[in-house]
Formats: sequence, C-alpha cells, structure tokens
Amino acid sequence: GQQVMQIPQYQHVQEGEDFTTYCNSSTTLSNIQWYKQRPGGHPVFLIQLVKSGEVKKQKRLTFQFGEAKKNSSLHITATQTTDVGTYFCAGSPPGNTGKLIFGQGTTLQVKP
Amino acid sequence: NAGVTQTPKFRILKIGQSMTLQCTQDMNHNYMYWYRQDPGMGLKLIYYSVGAGITDKGEVPNGYNVSRSTTEDFPLRLELAAPSQTSVYFCASSYSAQLYEQYFGPGTRLTVT
Repeated sequence: GQQVMQIPQYQHVQEGEDFTTYCNSSTTLSNIQWYKQRPGGHPVFLIQLVKSGEVKKQKRLTFQFGEAKKNSSLHITATQTTDVGTYFCAGSPPGNTGKLIFGQGTTLQVKP
Repeated sequence: NAGVTQTPKFRILKIGQSMTLQCTQDMNHNYMYWYRQDPGMGLKLIYYSVGAGITDKGEVPNGYNVSRSTTEDFPLRLELAAPSQTSVYFCASSYSAQLYEQYFGPGTRLTVT
C-alpha cells in the first residue's frame, strides 16, 4: 500500500540551531498536512500544502511541497524549547476519500 | 465548543475482555476517524466514517468494530482484547474530505495484560 516515510526519527539540537524534517511518499499526493504532537498530548494541525512547489511560512517554520507532490519538508529556524515535540506529515492519496496516511514522525528535543 | 472528547482516558484490560472506547464531537463534522499510535510510531488508521450510517476499514481494522448511528458519536469496540492492542487510541474528526484539517481528541491509553 501507499507509504509515507519521514526522516530523521529523532533529532536533538541546541537551542538556537536549525532543524529540518523530511517526508517522502511512494506515490503522488493530493495534498500534505503537518501536525505537531507535544509529549503526552494529541496531534494538532499546523498547516496544509496543496500546490506543486508550494512554500508556506509560519513565523520560524517553513513548509515546502515538492514539485512532483511526492515529498515535503518542515524547517524550523533558531529552535526554541517550545518547539519540543513530534512533527508528523500526513498525505492525502488521490481521490476524495478523506483519509490521511501519516509518516512515523520526527521527535525533536531542544537543549537549552 | 468542547471539540472532540474521548472516554476513558486510561484503561487496563485483561486478555479476552471487551470494551468500547467512546468518541464524541460537537463541531457537526461529517468525517470521523479512529487511529492507534504505538510508541515511536506514527498514527495508523483503524476505521473511518464519512457520515452517519457509513463506515469503512482503514489500515489496521482487525480486532475492532465501529458504528456511526449519529453525526456526533463514533464508538470503537474491542472484542477479545489481545496484548497487541496495547496502544494509545485517538479519535479525530474533520468537516469534509481532503482539504480540511483533522481535529484530534485527547486520546485513550489502553493496556492489555
């Protein structure tokens, strides 16, 4: 079946360093969403990318959707301790099913 | 709005027991989902529903059943619990299909021993 792979699985950074997580799908996606899950919490929606090559920014977070709509990335500039958590990408396969296929997530630890 | 609520928060089951995980949303969303999350893993879709009376299997439906008699409620039934069903279960809802974000409940942590 369709898979969404995410790397790295874990990342430890010093506060102030940058962080990037990458998401790759085995097939073309209709759109991709990103979620953040704080330790002990539930996933919370961050953003959605729909168009090929789309780039969106939210303060220190930059999200990209690849030209072929098979990969995506999330980049955080100058990490802060509040960025700690697990970041998931979730892709929608073609067809209006409403289903999302989640990547395994990247867990970010930030050392103050 | 309370959003998506789940009960119970925690539960310990013995092997072979059954239970129902409750999920309710007050946002009038058509789509509802059940996921399980194992340690260090992403979310795996168990079942989903596109409206009252309509349900369909996700990636990992074995050992589970669902029903959707109302727009608000989407209970998940575990029959004959097994240790492999130890996990955190999340219910989610969305207004419609692909272009809408999913709202997650706080989760139910289930241990089967």
